[in-house]
Amino acid sequence: RKEVEQDPGPFNVPEGATVAFNCTYSNSASQSFFWYRQDCRKEPKLLMSVYSSGNEDGRFTAQLNRASQYISLLIRDSKLSDSATYLCVVTTSGTYKYIFGTGTRLKVLA
Amino acid sequence: DTEVTQTPKHLVMGMTNKKSLKCEQHMGHRAMYWYKQKAKKPPELMFVYSYEKLSINESVPSRFSPECPNSSLLNLHLHALQPEDSALYLCASSQDSAAAGELFFGEGSRLTVL
Repeated sequence: RKEVEQDPGPFNVPEGATVAFNCTYSNSASQSFFWYRQDCRKEPKLLMSVYSSGNEDGRFTAQLNRASQYISLLIRDSKLSDSATYLCVVTTSGTYKYIFGTGTRLKVLA
Repeated sequence: DTEVTQTPKHLVMGMTNKKSLKCEQHMGHRAMYWYKQKAKKPPELMFVYSYEKLSINESVPSRFSPECPNSSLLNLHLHALQPEDSALYLCASSQDSAAAGELFFGEGSRLTVL
């Protein structure tokens, strides 16, 4: 089993749709969780850190479920510019190992 | 604008060449990383420097040689590479391991080995 798993997609959704991605992790000692966005041939950029209480930034909501060991990302009112690969990243305090999921490709269609 | 600067952005080299990739950050971060990313794959960790000391080498072939001259600079020396080493090489930094904070990535150096 991979340490961090994501559905690679692609998710093709119309503009304005709501789309959700999940990411599961296997190490119960994991402490920090992130969603990164990566555009084609560009570097990953932090979209959101994921906190235990859940957090929201505009159209984006991230949640953490420690009991079931997954994090989620919800995108509301999808825009064409949201088309990208979304990478789930998990790490543990005291290590330098940031474990990347395979990424989920999103394509928002006009 | 990224706060991690990588040069060059593009590099083409032959299998007998020696070249270097450079990375610089001025955020006071004490951990710096080299990742390799192939198309449609996630970044793959190569090396980690913590407080200017090599902390992790993920069994990377010796044709890749990292160097951390000071806390702001990270180099990756390349020698006798193979065509399969063609990839995007990403430098990243973070505060330190205790914080487990976000990784800040540079724009990457796209390497083509002929």
